[in-house]
Amino acid sequence: DAKTTQPPSMDCAEGRAANLPCNHSTISGNEYVYWYRQIHSQGPQYIIHGLKNNETNEMASLIITEDRKSSTLILPHATLRDTAVYYCIVRISNFGNEKLTFGTGTRLTIIP
Amino acid sequence: DAGVTQSPTHLIKTRGQQVTLRCSPKSGHDTVSWYQQALGQGPQFIFQYYEEEERQRGNFPDRFSGHQFPNYSSELNVNALLLGDSALYLCASSHFVVAGNTIYFGEGSWLTVV
Repeated sequence: DAKTTQPPSMDCAEGRAANLPCNHSTISGNEYVYWYRQIHSQGPQYIIHGLKNNETNEMASLIITEDRKSSTLILPHATLRDTAVYYCIVRISNFGNEKLTFGTGTRLTIIP
Repeated sequence: DAGVTQSPTHLIKTRGQQVTLRCSPKSGHDTVSWYQQALGQGPQFIFQYYEEEERQRGNFPDRFSGHQFPNYSSELNVNALLLGDSALYLCASSHFVVAGNTIYFGEGSWLTVV
């Protein structure tokens, strides 16, 4: 699976949009971009994933650049409960490969 | 719809002992994976089970073994515990054949080895 690069930490004001970047310049054509977050002492929570089109769900939006070498996770109206470590993961999603390779993630702190 | 459930939530073991952790996958899921997360680190993939067989394995010694039952639930066994095995053990489940599928995690089992 391709490697990802994320900033180690970010702050965002409560109520503002939080934009978390991820670089995956070596991504291949059959690799998906997944985002998870982990609140202290809890299991990772699935947020969203995509292949090449932008995706939106009730939690967030995922913007993938046209060349697929980077992406941005957007939390539209950040709340204090969004404070967590956010992991961007690139994964070959096909028959048999269920492995997720976690990096160090971005520690997002929402400021009141 | 129950998500991924794990038991026990916390346990303390002595060096050299053996431990068994349990996991029930999310409804409709047939694949279970296990991860180890040491304090301050990201989760590390241990292995994956599908159709009661180990399909993928990460860089973990043979002291780590597992089992999957016909109802898709799974166990993680760790023998000859070391202090370094103290960690959060996470179970994840998914549906095996769907490309671009989603993997869901349980809340984990905290293991402390003393």
